[in-house]
Amino acid sequence: NAGVTQTPKFRVLKTGQSMTLLCAQDMNHEYMYWYRQDPGMGLRLIHYSVGEGTTAKGEVPDGYNVSRLKKQNFLLGLESAAPSQTSVYFCASTNGQGGTEAFFGQGTRLTVV
Amino acid sequence: SQKIEQNSEALNIQEGKTATLTCNYTNYSPAYLQWYRQDPGRGPVFLLLIRENEKEKRKERLKVTFDTTLKQSLFHITASQPADSATYLCAPYDSTLTFGKGTMLLVSP
Repeated sequence: NAGVTQTPKFRVLKTGQSMTLLCAQDMNHEYMYWYRQDPGMGLRLIHYSVGEGTTAKGEVPDGYNVSRLKKQNFLLGLESAAPSQTSVYFCASTNGQGGTEAFFGQGTRLTVV
Repeated sequence: SQKIEQNSEALNIQEGKTATLTCNYTNYSPAYLQWYRQDPGRGPVFLLLIRENEKEKRKERLKVTFDTTLKQSLFHITASQPADSATYLCAPYDSTLTFGKGTMLLVSP
């Protein structure tokens, strides 16, 4: 099993450009999460989903949108990228609520210039 | 507001000693608390989970305690090895999976 796969692994964007980060999991997990990680800030929750067709805001949702049209995929969109969105983005999935472990992707390193 | 506090300073210990990492939380009522390990350039990897009705959990050289009165979890690595050097994250689960900033552990030979 591949587990959680993030696409792309690296990307450089110009300010104002848009892009979509894809997270795919093959474990039939219900819950999926998007985090960003910045030096000294730890992992901060952007958006999450508790099942196909559902999304909810996390701690730092501004400037991002998400969609969960298929259970196995969770997309994170940046409509108009800003330098403040330069970060490493991690996707995670779990089989339920906090009583089960989360599996993380390998991360996407995004630079906005 | 909710807050998760982990020691921001790196913990330096000698090989063979026990490492103890602390996680304190406020304005949370977690039913579970999880610990993860993160290596540079990699995603976090799950280590242990402890439930609110459990005081202690062990897995090989790892031990976690959970004190819901003190709102604190302690994470211990016994007989530490240089390969244990990494950043360790705690994640109290309330309604979502949120993480502390992590504590870096450095084990020297």
